[in-house]
Amino acid sequence: QVQLVQSGAEVKKPGSSVKVSCKASGETLRNFALTWVRQAPGQGLEWMGGIIPSSGAANYAQSFQGRVTITADKFTSTAYMELSSLTSKDTAMYYCARVTPAMDVWGRGTTVTVSS
Amino acid sequence: EIVLTQSPATLSLSPGERTTLSCRASQNINNFLAWYQQRPGQAPRLLIYDTFNRATGIPARFSGSGSGTDFTLTISPLEPEDVAVYYCQLRINWPPVLTFGGGTKVEVK
Repeated sequence: QVQLVQSGAEVKKPGSSVKVSCKASGETLRNFALTWVRQAPGQGLEWMGGIIPSSGAANYAQSFQGRVTITADKFTSTAYMELSSLTSKDTAMYYCARVTPAMDVWGRGTTVTVSS
Repeated sequence: EIVLTQSPATLSLSPGERTTLSCRASQNINNFLAWYQQRPGQAPRLLIYDTFNRATGIPARFSGSGSGTDFTLTISPLEPEDVAVYYCQLRINWPPVLTFGGGTKVEVK
């Protein structure tokens, strides 16, 4: 059974970038999509974008266009989400999830704190 | 852009009761609507996909229905462990474009 293992918590300065990884274990990243969702403290879920690792096709939410890059390495079954130009508003929990056809497997989340 | 509006924002019910959560889309959508449960301090968990299909391991007391612009998640009977925030989510296209509703918080008296 597939599990998604995310990288550890990050603390970043405003204006910097963060790169979060999500590694699939128990199954390779095949023809499903891998998506990223974030949740600010006390807030709801916000879709950021996703990728189909087998083809590299990616798409992004309009609110993150130009600031987020999602990539995947199908050989290591690892996906990455990089968010640039960080501000305090980017302080949140970041989740990766498999979409087949809904988000049936989730990572535990990675906390990103942006603070000067 | 399609907007999903969930109502009510909060529900407070007793164990054993039946509860209905609503998710309304700003325009007619396909049936690629899912529901998630997020307990405090946990990642979301898939309950229902494609409007009415229960995900693996989800108890039969959770059911989904709807079409067009109006979709519903029903929990019957409500159990104490159902305390959580419930989100509806739409998927369109492939790679998928996803949209979430704002969530409904369920409290058990």
